[in-house]
Amino acid sequence: DGGITQSPKYLFRKEGQNVTLSCEQNLNHDAMYWYRQDPGQGLRLIYYSQIVNDFQKGDIAEGYSVSREKKESFPLTVTSAQKNPTAFYLCASSSRDRGPYEQYFGPGTRLTVT
Amino acid sequence: RKEVEQDPGPFNVPEGATVAFNCTYSNSASQSFFWYRQDCRKEPKLLMSVYSSGNEDGRFTAQLNRASQYISLLIRDSKLSDSATYLCVVTTSGTYKYIFGTGTRLKVLA
Repeated sequence: DGGITQSPKYLFRKEGQNVTLSCEQNLNHDAMYWYRQDPGQGLRLIYYSQIVNDFQKGDIAEGYSVSREKKESFPLTVTSAQKNPTAFYLCASSSRDRGPYEQYFGPGTRLTVT
Repeated sequence: RKEVEQDPGPFNVPEGATVAFNCTYSNSASQSFFWYRQDCRKEPKLLMSVYSSGNEDGRFTAQLNRASQYISLLIRDSKLSDSATYLCVVTTSGTYKYIFGTGTRLKVLA
């Protein structure tokens, strides 16, 4: 089955620790995205990547870092510089070959930092 | 003004009712339009893309009005299982960014 996987589903960390969230897709999509969702709020774009070894900052990139060494993988690191890291993190991917370029999401990771 | 705006609701409707949501967007260069469904504490799932001529998928009908810059979603014969938050998503020509509305919450009541 093709799809996007994120792990772990729930993650707990102490303040001051960096943490890396995994995102893998086997849809052969070129573009991948990371979003953050806070309770009762919309999705906010953290980083996106259109192609391997290239990525761009989204609207709220401060305190986060990413890498795109393989087409299938787009891990997100939440650093200790992120002031309010507790949130629901969603990874998505989309094709860039032909429109309308629907985006597909992984099941998400709930990060709690105390 | 937000790039994509939706009425947050909640829309409380009885089973079997017809309900419609609108979503307005501010950028006239917007290119692609989608409706997603998000259940509580779950990821958004694509409900349908919205085409210029309008499109239908079973009980769901989506329409685009470029002149007035809005898209709509009509749900006929509402089911209890339709209860969810419906997200409007817009992309703009020349970018790879998807702009999400904050969603409209629907509750279908027995």
